Amino acid sequence: NAGVTQTPKFQVLKTGQSMTLQCAQDMNHNSMYWYRQDPGMGLRLIYYSASEGTTDKGEVPNGYNVSRLNKREFSLRLESAAPSQTSVYFCASTRVRNEQFFGPGTRLTVL
Amino acid sequence: GENVEQHPSTLSVQEGDSAVIKCTYSDSASNYFPWYKQELGKRPQLIIDIRSNVGEKKDQRIAVTLNKTAKHFSLHITETQPEDSAVYFCAASLYNNNDMRFGAGTRLTVKP
Repeated sequence: NAGVTQTPKFQVLKTGQSMTLQCAQDMNHNSMYWYRQDPGMGLRLIYYSASEGTTDKGEVPNGYNVSRLNKREFSLRLESAAPSQTSVYFCASTRVRNEQFFGPGTRLTVL
Repeated sequence: GENVEQHPSTLSVQEGDSAVIKCTYSDSASNYFPWYKQELGKRPQLIIDIRSNVGEKKDQRIAVTLNKTAKHFSLHITETQPEDSAVYFCAASLYNNNDMRFGAGTRLTVKP
């Protein structure tokens, strides 16, 4: 039981490049989330998916897109990376109790 | 939307002392208040949560109190130990609502 996994762990991009962050969970959770974590700002919700086939915007969705590929996988795409998107990205999933289980994070630097 | 403020941003205590972290929220409809602990370089993990139908919840050395009227809740850690050193985040949302808002975090340092 791996819980929530994310790839890659680290990534460096140049401004304007695109990339997709991958997330998978093996806990049969319905809801999945993408957060970004910046120093002094806590965790901010980018997008979430309440169930397979649905996605909704969170607090800071601009510059991102998501895909809920199936119940296990939820990907985050940066179409044209900007330095302001330099951050640590966490994926999470939830069971009915509302406890969010987080992945190990992806540290992204945009030059 | 919901706005959560957390204080203090940093807190240093001596081993064995108590630590208190406070959060306020803006949306009176919020009814679920979790606390997460994040050790350096690790992922956040839930340590305790409270729903608005109770005013206090305790789990060994950790307790959370909630004042719905004032819209604030607090984390209390007693008999602190060096392994309690971490960043602690509060959060607020409607129970079973997916849009959870987090506070900015408190870096707790417990000196041996």
